[in-house]
Amino acid sequence: DQQVKQNSPSLSVQEGRISILNCDYTNSMFDYFLWYKKYPAEGPTFLISISSIKDKNEDGRFTVFLNKSAKHLSLHIVPSQPGDSAVYFCAASARSGGGADGLTFGKGTHLIIQP
Amino acid sequence: DAGVTQSPTHLIKTRGQQVTLRCSPKSGHDTVSWYQQALGQGPQFIFQYYEEEERQRGNFPDRFSGHQFPNYSSELNVNALLLGDSALYLCASSLVRRGETQYFGPGTRLLVL
Repeated sequence: DQQVKQNSPSLSVQEGRISILNCDYTNSMFDYFLWYKKYPAEGPTFLISISSIKDKNEDGRFTVFLNKSAKHLSLHIVPSQPGDSAVYFCAASARSGGGADGLTFGKGTHLIIQP
Repeated sequence: DAGVTQSPTHLIKTRGQQVTLRCSPKSGHDTVSWYQQALGQGPQFIFQYYEEEERQRGNFPDRFSGHQFPNYSSELNVNALLLGDSALYLCASSLVRRGETQYFGPGTRLLVL
């Protein structure tokens, strides 16, 4: 049972346009959501996060939106650049005992930025 | 400021053998989590260590065990290796009180033949 789903295995976007990556979750206990970017032969790199008390968080070209009622979040990248080509993972966690649970990841979306 | 480091980078083992992977957390972090990433999948949580104890465990068999040392570094041990254990093993470190943001190392690629 996949608790975090990224239904698009790949996405192709032209350079300079907006990239929108989507993620759905099923577990109501999740209260913190993160996006990671991964290049081949490297570990995931933290991009941006959002707490369930917010519905939007921005950091430069990256914005994450959270719709709790729909259990859906999205990552917007504007404008898209060639260096953004990578696999993007959505992850979620819940707090327990004063710390955070291990992260639950989606399967990832391969973003390809075309010149 | 060194980030999360892992060793070795690559490893080849045969079925039935045992393997130990190592992780040094980012400076100042006290919590280490281990993940397994199979080809084409997202990372799957194995377990998390804090104060030298296993704090939480994912859905992995007892063949997977770990340890955390007083300097916060950690080891992942896998006994009786199976072909299906071939994967990228990722270590992530964080602060337990802000554990949501975990920072990952480059991983150890394990191939079981």
